[in-house]
Amino acid sequence: DGGITQSPKYLFRKEGQNVTLSCEQNLNHDAMYWYRQDPGQGLRLIYYSQIVNDFQKGDIAEGYSVSREKKESFPLTVTSAQKNPTAFYLCASTRGSGRSSYNEQFFGPGTRLTVL
Amino acid sequence: QKEVEQDPGPLSVPEGAIVSLNCTYSNSAFQYFMWYRQYSRKGPELLMYTYSSGNKEDGRFTAQVDKSSKYISLFIRDSQPSDSATYLCAAAYSGAGSYQLTFGKGTKLSVIP
Repeated sequence: DGGITQSPKYLFRKEGQNVTLSCEQNLNHDAMYWYRQDPGQGLRLIYYSQIVNDFQKGDIAEGYSVSREKKESFPLTVTSAQKNPTAFYLCASTRGSGRSSYNEQFFGPGTRLTVL
Repeated sequence: QKEVEQDPGPLSVPEGAIVSLNCTYSNSAFQYFMWYRQYSRKGPELLMYTYSSGNKEDGRFTAQVDKSSKYISLFIRDSQPSDSATYLCAAAYSGAGSYQLTFGKGTKLSVIP
């Protein structure tokens, strides 16, 4: 089955620690995205990548970092610089870069990060 | 002002009712309008997508876009308890940059049996 997998489902972090959230897709999609979801806030874009070895900051990139070494993988690192990291993190992908037409954005199941 | 505004609810209706969910947007460049459904602790899934103005129907669901008033609606007929979820509206445009979605905050719907 094609889809997006995120791991782990739940993650606990102590203050001051960096943690990395995994996102893998086997849809052969070009673009991948990371969102953060807080209660009552909707989805906010953290980073996105249109092609391998290239990525851009979204609206709330401070305290986060990403890499895109392979087409199917887009890990997100939550660093100790992120002041309020407790949230639900969602990874998504689209078939094309979206420059010329609509491309459905598919979402993974999410990772819930809690800072202790 | 947020580019896509959505009343977060919560909204509670009896089974069989017609549900109306609404969003407004401020960016005239938006061309694509989506409704996502998100069950608790799950990732969103695309429910409906429309391009420009007009209506689109899929079973019990109807999506409506009025670009003149910058208004997006989702209607659910004969609502079922399985429709209980958070509904997120989203808008996007494509251009020189990448394709990005701007989401509303989501409306939590409960359909009571």
